[in-house]
Amino acid sequence: DIQMTQSPSSLSASVGDRVTITCRASQSISSYLNWYQQKPGKAPKVLIYAASSLQSGVPSRFSGSGSGTVFTLTIRSLQPEDFATYYCQHSYNTPYTFGRGTKLEIK
Amino acid sequence: QVQLQESGPGLVKPSETLSLTCTVSGGSISSYYWSWIRQSPGRGLEWLGYMYYSGSTNYNPSLKSRVIISVDTSKNQFSLHLRSVTAADTAVYYCAREGVPNEYFDYWGQGTLVTVSS
Repeated sequence: DIQMTQSPSSLSASVGDRVTITCRASQSISSYLNWYQQKPGKAPKVLIYAASSLQSGVPSRFSGSGSGTVFTLTIRSLQPEDFATYYCQHSYNTPYTFGRGTKLEIK
Repeated sequence: QVQLQESGPGLVKPSETLSLTCTVSGGSISSYYWSWIRQSPGRGLEWLGYMYYSGSTNYNPSLKSRVIISVDTSKNQFSLHLRSVTAADTAVYYCAREGVPNEYFDYWGQGTLVTVSS
């Protein structure tokens, strides 16, 4: 199985900040990398697919980049509703696997 | 708007079979891939497997032969059956849609907590 490692596991930031979350795959996954946001008691919601494509309806302050084994999710100008947990997931082959998450908290 | 809703028992005894159903509304179950994903504090998010509406399946090898996913196109539903459960199978179970394999999960159910306990 491909292992997905996220860093940091938690992050404190303020409204208006720019934050970056990193996800590393244990082998090359080309651009088969997705990012999800999850709020307490809710299902994950896709933000970015294929490493850098913004899902319809997702604010443009979210962006993704990377290919191969290293990927980043950047949130430009944090809004109050962005404080949540973020997960990466590869879809290169099965079994699909997820990172352990990055919890973004208000400073 | 496509909506998915999980249903099934919230409590299952050890060694028994966990069975959940996902009802799809607002769209057809045809032409998409339908997955089960679970989430627990210990295992995080874990993909269990998917089924194409035609009946072909792909399961996570970590579950070995314990999992079966089936579809009922007449009811726009698909189901998860996980045999021989233990406390380690306690989790929130989600159903989710994937447009094509190797893509992403664009629609999710709200999730249902299943506890394995005697």
